[in-house]
Amino acid sequence: ETGVTQTPRHLVMGMTNKKSLKCEQHLGHNAMYWYKQSAKKPLELMFVYSLEERVENNSVPSRFSPECPNSSHLFLHLHTLQPEDSALYLCASSQSGPYLDNEQFFGPGTRLTVL
Amino acid sequence: KNEVEQSPQNLTAQEGEFITINCSYSVGISALHWLQQHPGGGIVSLFMLSSGKKKHGRLIATINIQEKHSSLHITASHPRDSAVYICAVRYMNYGGSQGNLIFGKGTKLSVKP
Repeated sequence: ETGVTQTPRHLVMGMTNKKSLKCEQHLGHNAMYWYKQSAKKPLELMFVYSLEERVENNSVPSRFSPECPNSSHLFLHLHTLQPEDSALYLCASSQSGPYLDNEQFFGPGTRLTVL
Repeated sequence: KNEVEQSPQNLTAQEGEFITINCSYSVGISALHWLQQHPGGGIVSLFMLSSGKKKHGRLIATINIQEKHSSLHITASHPRDSAVYICAVRYMNYGGSQGNLIFGKGTKLSVKP
């Protein structure tokens, strides 16, 4: 138990669906992250939020839309996804700013399958 | 291109063996992380280090800044150590600012009883 929770744990959706992934951290951290992990590829950073402001969008297609309503919650809204978007989506948080050397705490991930 | 290389990609060991996983990187970094990912997907941070050596239980992490290399050692390995071990580095950007974490592809360890 890392103090970061993600829901749902598994999601299957069609290419025309709209769904959202939710992440919540109970650690009082100020920075939150979305990562994508595809089979046999390294973790890829998608978005970074610091103090509820987006500080990085790592060339992610617009069919992925993040939202950070407060410092404890992070959402990833999904629409018109492609089968190649099927992956494990991981949320993480850290105590202070994203470019400082502090430990990141990861959630369990959402396994997404796009049909 | 800043990359993180890990070796081996896959490793099978017998319970009790001493295990070493290697990580190399290409340019200056501010810190290196070792992470553990279990089959369910969750990732746990094991170490963050910028010099020398750190130890936690049966795990030891070392880094050689001059050689741009780090190793993760597991002593007296156990089946519960079976997981993917991921190395990640924070590169120094041009001008000295710090960048995001860059991850290796991971080393899949399987420890047989």
